[in-house]
Amino acid sequence: QVQLVQSGAEVKKPGASVKVSCKASGYTFTTYPIHWVRQAPGQRLEWMGWINVGNGNTKYSQKFEGRVTVTRDTSASTAYMELSSLRSEDTAVYYCARDGGEVFQYWGQGTLVTVSS
Amino acid sequence: DIQMTQSPSTLSASVGDRVIITCRASQSISSWLAWYQQKPGKAPKLLIYKASSLESGVPSRFSGSGSGTEFTLAISSLQPDDFATYYCQQYNSYPWTFGQGTKLEIK
Repeated sequence: QVQLVQSGAEVKKPGASVKVSCKASGYTFTTYPIHWVRQAPGQRLEWMGWINVGNGNTKYSQKFEGRVTVTRDTSASTAYMELSSLRSEDTAVYYCARDGGEVFQYWGQGTLVTVSS
Repeated sequence: DIQMTQSPSTLSASVGDRVIITCRASQSISSWLAWYQQKPGKAPKLLIYKASSLESGVPSRFSGSGSGTEFTLAISSLQPDDFATYYCQQYNSYPWTFGQGTKLEIK
């Protein structure tokens, strides 16, 4: 069965960067794009961007352009999301999700990133 | 960006009730709309895609309809497992955006 397993919770100081991983199993990793979606406490879900795992092409929400980088390691079946210049408003649960026709068909368990001085 | 607005924000209902949640888009999104269910501390789960197509494994008491700017998610005969928060999401144009959520509570 399809599984996405994310790395553990992180605590970062303002201005730092965080890199979250998402290890996929149960399907051919290069076949489907991976998205990143975040959810701040009590807020709606927010799409950040995605990667075409096959060719490495990316598309980001303009809100995060310049601060977010999504990469993948096909040999490890793992996608990564790095967010830089962190601020308190970036405190959120970050999810990876496998694409299923431009919807989020399978989700990771989420990674809590806390930004605090 | 396309704004997605759900109503109501909170809905109280009883087991066995039929409920409807509405989602409005700030501009036409054709049928490029999905619905998700989220329980506390868990990742969202895909229920409906392309406005009315039921995701595999999702009970048939869930149904979606609409096109353009107005969409609905209906749940017939509520079950205890259905009490959760529901989100709509458009994927007509970037950035893909979500509604603010509708919390379905037990009356």
